[in-house]
Amino acid sequence: DIQMTQSPSSLSASVGDRVTITCRASQTISSFLNWYQQKPGKAPKLLIYAASSLQSGVPSTFSGSGSGTDFTLTISSLQPEDFATYYCQQSYGTPYTFGQGTKLEIK
Amino acid sequence: QVQLQESGPGLVKPSETLSLTCAVSRYSISSGYYWGWIRQPPGKGLEWIGSIYDSGSTYYNPSLKSRVTISVDTSKNQFSLKLSSVTAADTAVYYCARRIAVAGQFDYWGQGTLVTVSS
Repeated sequence: DIQMTQSPSSLSASVGDRVTITCRASQTISSFLNWYQQKPGKAPKLLIYAASSLQSGVPSTFSGSGSGTDFTLTISSLQPEDFATYYCQQSYGTPYTFGQGTKLEIK
Repeated sequence: QVQLQESGPGLVKPSETLSLTCAVSRYSISSGYYWGWIRQPPGKGLEWIGSIYDSGSTYYNPSLKSRVTISVDTSKNQFSLKLSSVTAADTAVYYCARRIAVAGQFDYWGQGTLVTVSS
């Protein structure tokens, strides 16, 4: 299985801050990397697919980059509604696997 | 906009079979795409269970493969999950989702349903 490791596991930040979350794959996955946002009691929401493509309807404050084994999700200016848990997911091969999550909290 | 809705028992006894259905609306399930199940134990991360194509081709997580069956009913526009011989470790919120074939992202999700395994 391809292991996905996110860092940090948790992060405190303020509204307006620029935030970066990292995801590392245990082997190369080309650009088959997706990012999701999950709020308590809700289903995950797709933010970024294919490493850097913004899902329709997602604010442009979200961006993704990377290829191979190292990827980043950047929120350029945190909004109150962005405080949530973020997951990366590889779709290079089965079993599809997710990172352990990064919980973004208000400072 | 595509909508997915999970349904099924919220409580299953140990050693029995968990059965869930995902009803898809505003999109024909036989028009392509993969359809899958993902679960999340309380307070933990996400685990892919398996996926099915509209033709019936299935792909399962090897860690669950011996206990999982995913099927599709195009006449009802729904797909189903069966997980046999459940234990407390199978207690989780179960989500159904649509997966895009090319890049593999899950773009539409159901709201999720909590299944508790307990006697």
